[in-house]
Amino acid sequence: EAQVTQNPRYLITVTGKKLTVTCSQNMNHEYMSWYRQDPGLGLRQIYYSMNVEVTDKGDVPEGYKVSRKEKRNFPLILESPSPNQTSLYFCASSWTGSSGNTIYFGEGSWLTVV
Amino acid sequence: DAKTTQPPSMDCAEGRAANLPCNHSTISGNEYVYWYRQIHSQGPQYIIHGLKNNETNEMASLIITEDRKSSTLILPHATLRDTAVYYCIVRPILQGAQKLVFGQGTRLTINP
Repeated sequence: EAQVTQNPRYLITVTGKKLTVTCSQNMNHEYMSWYRQDPGLGLRQIYYSMNVEVTDKGDVPEGYKVSRKEKRNFPLILESPSPNQTSLYFCASSWTGSSGNTIYFGEGSWLTVV
Repeated sequence: DAKTTQPPSMDCAEGRAANLPCNHSTISGNEYVYWYRQIHSQGPQYIIHGLKNNETNEMASLIITEDRKSSTLILPHATLRDTAVYYCIVRPILQGAQKLVFGQGTRLTINP
Protein backbone atom coordinates (compact mmCIF):
# COMPACT_ATOMS: atom_id res chain seq x y z
CA GLU A 1 0.00 0.00 0.00
CA ALA A 2 1.28 3.46 -0.95
CA GLN A 3 2.11 5.30 2.23
CA VAL A 4 3.70 8.39 3.66
CA THR A 5 4.49 7.68 7.31
CA GLN A 6 5.24 10.33 9.90
CA ASN A 7 6.49 9.90 13.46
CA PRO A 8 5.68 10.89 16.07
CA ARG A 9 2.01 11.58 15.51
CA TYR A 10 1.73 13.55 18.75
CA LEU A 11 4.45 15.28 20.73
CA ILE A 12 4.62 17.79 23.55
CA THR A 13 8.06 19.26 24.09
CA VAL A 14 9.72 22.18 25.84
CA THR A 15 11.24 25.28 24.33
CA GLY A 16 14.78 24.73 23.12
CA LYS A 17 14.82 20.95 23.20
CA LYS A 18 15.86 19.67 19.79
CA LEU A 19 13.46 17.32 18.10
CA THR A 20 13.11 15.48 14.81
CA VAL A 21 9.92 14.49 13.03
CA THR A 22 10.57 11.61 10.67
CA CYS A 23 8.90 11.05 7.31
CA SER A 24 9.19 7.98 5.15
CA GLN A 25 7.52 7.03 1.86
CA ASN A 26 7.40 3.66 0.14
CA MET A 27 6.63 4.81 -3.40
CA ASN A 28 10.17 5.63 -4.58
CA HIS A 29 9.11 9.26 -5.06
CA GLU A 30 11.77 11.81 -5.88
CA TYR A 31 9.88 14.77 -4.43
CA MET A 32 9.18 15.22 -0.73
CA SER A 33 7.96 18.20 1.20
CA TRP A 34 6.91 19.47 4.63
CA TYR A 35 3.88 21.65 5.35
CA ARG A 36 2.53 23.15 8.52
CA GLN A 37 -1.12 23.91 9.14
CA ASP A 38 -2.33 26.65 11.45
CA PRO A 39 -5.85 27.99 12.08
CA GLY A 40 -6.66 30.84 9.71
CA LEU A 41 -3.39 30.41 7.79
CA GLY A 42 -4.06 27.12 6.04
CA LEU A 43 -1.29 24.82 4.88
CA ARG A 44 2.06 26.42 4.18
CA GLN A 45 5.15 24.79 2.74
CA ILE A 46 8.25 24.71 4.97
CA TYR A 47 10.89 22.87 2.91
CA TYR A 48 10.96 20.60 -0.08
CA SER A 49 13.35 18.22 -1.79
CA MET A 50 13.45 17.31 -5.46
CA ASN A 51 15.76 14.36 -4.91
CA VAL A 52 18.51 12.95 -2.67
CA GLU A 53 20.83 15.69 -1.39
CA VAL A 54 18.67 18.38 -3.05
CA THR A 55 16.63 20.53 -0.66
CA ASP A 56 15.21 24.03 -0.83
CA LYS A 57 13.23 26.47 1.28
CA GLY A 58 9.51 26.78 1.02
CA ASP A 59 7.43 29.70 2.27
CA VAL A 60 8.08 29.40 6.01
CA PRO A 61 11.51 27.78 6.56
CA GLU A 62 12.66 29.80 9.58
CA GLY A 63 13.45 27.63 12.59
CA TYR A 64 13.52 24.38 10.64
CA LYS A 65 16.12 22.19 8.98
CA VAL A 66 15.76 19.18 6.72
CA SER A 67 17.99 16.56 5.19
CA ARG A 68 17.59 14.08 2.34
CA LYS A 69 20.28 11.43 2.61
CA GLU A 70 18.05 8.64 1.31
CA LYS A 71 15.28 8.76 -1.22
CA ARG A 72 12.61 7.38 1.09
CA ASN A 73 13.28 9.60 4.14
CA PHE A 74 12.91 13.32 4.70
CA PRO A 75 13.18 14.26 8.39
CA LEU A 76 12.15 17.68 9.70
CA ILE A 77 14.48 19.00 12.39
CA LEU A 78 13.66 21.68 14.94
CA GLU A 79 17.02 22.59 16.46
CA SER A 80 15.58 24.89 19.12
CA PRO A 81 11.79 24.70 19.11
CA SER A 82 9.76 27.71 20.16
CA PRO A 83 6.06 28.01 21.04
CA ASN A 84 5.28 29.59 17.65
CA GLN A 85 6.20 26.26 16.09
CA THR A 86 3.25 24.63 17.78
CA SER A 87 1.35 23.33 14.79
CA LEU A 88 0.10 20.38 12.78
CA TYR A 89 2.78 19.16 10.38
CA PHE A 90 2.34 17.18 7.18
CA CYS A 91 4.88 15.40 5.04
CA ALA A 92 4.10 14.89 1.35
CA SER A 93 5.66 13.09 -1.61
CA SER A 94 5.19 12.62 -5.34
CA TRP A 95 6.94 11.80 -8.57
CA THR A 96 8.66 14.72 -10.29
CA GLY A 97 8.29 15.42 -13.95
CA SER A 98 4.85 16.54 -15.05
CA SER A 99 2.86 18.30 -12.32
CA GLY A 100 -0.03 16.03 -13.27
CA ASN A 101 1.35 13.72 -10.64
CA THR A 102 -0.61 13.17 -7.46
CA ILE A 103 0.92 14.46 -4.23
CA TYR A 104 0.42 12.08 -1.31
CA PHE A 105 0.25 13.31 2.27
CA GLY A 106 1.05 11.67 5.57
CA GLU A 107 -1.42 11.57 8.45
CA GLY A 108 0.08 14.51 10.25
CA SER A 109 2.13 15.19 13.39
CA TRP A 110 0.71 17.32 16.15
CA LEU A 111 3.51 19.26 17.83
CA THR A 112 3.09 21.37 20.96
CA VAL A 113 6.01 23.44 22.24
CA VAL A 114 5.59 24.77 25.79
CA ASP B 1 -1.39 33.33 -2.53
CA ALA B 2 -4.16 30.97 -3.46
CA LYS B 3 -5.59 31.71 -6.89
CA THR B 4 -9.03 30.26 -6.20
CA THR B 5 -12.23 31.40 -4.48
CA GLN B 6 -14.56 28.95 -2.77
CA PRO B 7 -17.59 29.38 -0.52
CA PRO B 8 -16.54 28.90 3.11
CA SER B 9 -19.20 26.32 3.87
CA MET B 10 -21.93 24.19 2.32
CA ASP B 11 -24.45 21.62 3.45
CA CYS B 12 -25.79 18.62 1.60
CA ALA B 13 -28.22 15.83 2.47
CA GLU B 14 -26.90 12.31 2.60
CA GLY B 15 -27.50 10.44 -0.65
CA ARG B 16 -27.80 13.60 -2.72
CA ALA B 17 -25.21 14.99 -5.08
CA ALA B 18 -22.86 17.56 -3.54
CA ASN B 19 -21.79 20.27 -5.97
CA LEU B 20 -18.84 22.35 -4.82
CA PRO B 21 -18.02 25.44 -6.89
CA CYS B 22 -14.64 27.05 -7.38
CA ASN B 23 -13.75 30.29 -9.09
CA HIS B 24 -10.31 30.55 -10.71
CA SER B 25 -10.80 33.48 -13.05
CA THR B 26 -7.08 34.21 -13.40
CA ILE B 27 -6.09 30.67 -14.39
CA SER B 28 -3.64 30.47 -17.25
CA GLY B 29 -3.49 27.95 -20.05
CA ASN B 30 -0.66 26.03 -18.44
CA GLU B 31 -2.36 25.41 -15.10
CA TYR B 32 -4.31 22.41 -13.84
CA VAL B 33 -7.28 22.50 -11.49
CA TYR B 34 -6.81 20.11 -8.57
CA TRP B 35 -9.18 19.09 -5.79
CA TYR B 36 -8.11 17.76 -2.41
CA ARG B 37 -10.07 17.20 0.76
CA GLN B 38 -9.14 17.07 4.42
CA ILE B 39 -11.23 15.05 6.85
CA HIS B 40 -10.93 16.43 10.40
CA SER B 41 -7.19 17.06 10.73
CA GLN B 42 -6.01 14.12 8.66
CA GLY B 43 -3.63 14.50 5.75
CA PRO B 44 -5.11 16.08 2.61
CA GLN B 45 -6.45 13.46 0.24
CA TYR B 46 -6.26 13.76 -3.53
CA ILE B 47 -9.65 13.63 -5.27
CA ILE B 48 -9.30 14.58 -8.92
CA HIS B 49 -7.65 17.01 -11.31
CA GLY B 50 -8.21 18.34 -14.81
CA LEU B 51 -6.91 20.74 -17.41
CA LYS B 52 -9.82 21.64 -19.66
CA ASN B 53 -11.92 18.53 -20.20
CA ASN B 54 -14.37 17.19 -17.68
CA GLU B 55 -12.99 14.33 -15.63
CA THR B 56 -14.52 11.49 -13.65
CA ASN B 57 -13.05 8.89 -11.35
CA GLU B 58 -14.34 6.57 -8.64
CA MET B 59 -14.58 9.40 -6.13
CA ALA B 60 -15.97 12.37 -8.03
CA SER B 61 -16.53 14.28 -11.24
CA LEU B 62 -14.90 17.55 -12.20
CA ILE B 63 -16.69 19.94 -14.51
CA ILE B 64 -14.57 22.78 -15.92
CA THR B 65 -16.26 25.61 -17.76
CA GLU B 66 -15.27 26.24 -21.35
CA ASP B 67 -13.45 29.46 -20.47
CA ARG B 68 -11.74 27.57 -17.59
CA LYS B 69 -12.54 30.36 -15.16
CA SER B 70 -14.54 28.16 -12.84
CA SER B 71 -15.14 24.53 -12.02
CA THR B 72 -17.45 22.32 -9.99
CA LEU B 73 -16.57 19.21 -8.04
CA ILE B 74 -19.44 16.75 -7.90
CA LEU B 75 -19.77 14.01 -5.31
CA PRO B 76 -22.61 12.03 -6.88
CA HIS B 77 -24.04 10.31 -3.80
CA ALA B 78 -22.70 12.02 -0.72
CA THR B 79 -22.27 10.01 2.48
CA LEU B 80 -21.57 11.13 6.03
CA ARG B 81 -17.92 10.21 5.47
CA ASP B 82 -17.67 12.90 2.80
CA THR B 83 -17.91 15.59 5.50
CA ALA B 84 -14.60 17.43 5.11
CA VAL B 85 -12.90 20.62 3.98
CA TYR B 86 -12.53 20.61 0.19
CA TYR B 87 -9.72 22.54 -1.45
CA CYS B 88 -9.67 23.70 -5.05
CA ILE B 89 -6.08 24.37 -6.16
CA VAL B 90 -4.57 25.76 -9.34
CA ARG B 91 -1.22 24.21 -10.16
CA PRO B 92 1.22 24.95 -13.00
CA ILE B 93 2.05 22.37 -15.65
CA LEU B 94 5.76 22.66 -15.13
CA GLN B 95 8.31 20.00 -14.56
CA GLY B 96 9.17 20.08 -10.91
CA ALA B 97 6.19 22.29 -9.96
CA GLN B 98 5.10 20.05 -7.14
CA LYS B 99 4.00 22.68 -4.64
CA LEU B 100 0.34 22.97 -3.73
CA VAL B 101 -0.93 26.37 -2.58
CA PHE B 102 -3.94 25.80 -0.35
CA GLY B 103 -6.63 28.40 0.19
CA GLN B 104 -9.25 28.26 2.94
CA GLY B 105 -11.41 25.67 1.15
CA THR B 106 -15.09 24.82 1.55
CA ARG B 107 -16.27 23.07 4.69
CA LEU B 108 -18.83 20.54 3.41
CA THR B 109 -21.21 19.03 5.93
CA ILE B 110 -23.27 16.03 4.92
CA ASN B 111 -26.46 15.80 6.98
CA PRO B 112 -28.34 12.55 7.69
